[in-house]
Formats: sequence, structure tokens, C-alpha cells
Amino acid sequence: AQSVTQLGSHVSVSEGALVLLRCNYSSSVPPYLFWYVQYPNQGLQLLLKYTSAATLVKGINGFEAEFKKSETSFHLTKPSAHMSDAAEYFCAVSVYTTSYGKLTFGQGTILTVHP
Amino acid sequence: DAGVIQSPRHEVTEMGQEVTLRCKPISGHDYLFWYRQTMMRGLELLIYFNNNVPIDDSGMPEDRFSAKMPNASFSTLKIQPSEPRDSAVYFCATTRTSGTGELFFGEGSRLTVL
Repeated sequence: AQSVTQLGSHVSVSEGALVLLRCNYSSSVPPYLFWYVQYPNQGLQLLLKYTSAATLVKGINGFEAEFKKSETSFHLTKPSAHMSDAAEYFCAVSVYTTSYGKLTFGQGTILTVHP
Repeated sequence: DAGVIQSPRHEVTEMGQEVTLRCKPISGHDYLFWYRQTMMRGLELLIYFNNNVPIDDSGMPEDRFSAKMPNASFSTLKIQPSEPRDSAVYFCATTRTSGTGELFFGEGSRLTVL
């Protein structure tokens, strides 16, 4: 079975600083990986996805993530944080070959951005 | 295009009452998932359907929970009788076989059981 670990339930950065949200996954077969963002009282919105093509994936709002198989990681980064980035972020993994669409989510990381 | 539509957005009920949550998937999406989100447990998959057929209901907490998908345009999640520990946000999410498996989420139904 696959699993996801997000390191750090809370991350705080200053506006303009680098954002780094960590995600490590476990999967016995090549996975698909996703990052979602959730704003208060809203559903989850897809930020970006890795589906076995390019290992560096660019998403919306200036975010990107790099798939590193050797480290089983899929960390999310953004060069310069904006106040509007404050939200909760979820990393998710799926094994598309055996359970298409069935995502397993990490516990989430709340990002706070200080002025 | 309309996204995943859930209703009601908020529901407050008393313990023992029946609760029905509804979901309208994106047109053309053949997978539908019900998730529950709580502070303690995060996002938990309850059940999912493919072409209206339940595929995996191993996440349904107990017999008080049931889900149906009578057609491609509608699904319900029912709790009978409800208990305070069922208080959570329930999300419906859908995807299509021809995509890459990313889920499209509704806005959620926030349930409070008193």
C-alpha cells in the first residue's frame, strides 16, 4: 500500500521568502503524485501533478515540485511567498495501475505568510 | 463548465437524526469518491464508485453509513442514525478514466451533529 508523509504540520515564512513544503512517499510501484491547496471553507484545488513525464513539474501560482525517485520525495517550492499563499497544502499519491484515481493524502501542512 | 456540486454546504442536526449528503459529479467523469475531513484524522477515503458501481467501501466507518450512485449524475452519502463523532466536512470528488487521475473536489458539506 502507498503512503505519504508531510514533514511539518505548520510552516511559517515571511512574504517574499522561499516556500519549501516537504513530502515523502512510499509506493511499491511507480506512483502518480499530486499537490493540492485548500483555502478556508473550500474544497481542495490541484496545484500540480507528476505523472511519469518530466521530473520537475510546474503548477499554478508559481509553485513547482521535483520528483526524486532516489529520495522518494516530491517537495513543493515557490521562490517568493505571497500573502495569498497562506493555506493548507496536501501531498497525495496514487497507484494508477491498480487503483486509478484512489488518492492517499498526507496530513497536510498549514502555510502561514507573515508580512 | 460546472464543477462538482455538493449540497447542503452546512448541516446542523441532532444526534439520532438521519443525514443525507448529495453530490453531482462533473459531466463525463466516471469515478466518484467520498472523503471525510477532520482535524484528528485528516482526509479519509470512505467509498468510491466507477461507472456507478461501488468499488471499495472499506473506508466506511460502520453500518450507519451508506452511499449510493443511482445514475451517472448523482450520488448520496447517508448517515443513519447520526452521532456527534460524525461531525466533519464531507467531500465529493470525481475524475475520468481518460485523464491522469487527479481528483476534482466539491466545496464540501460541513456536518455538525449535536
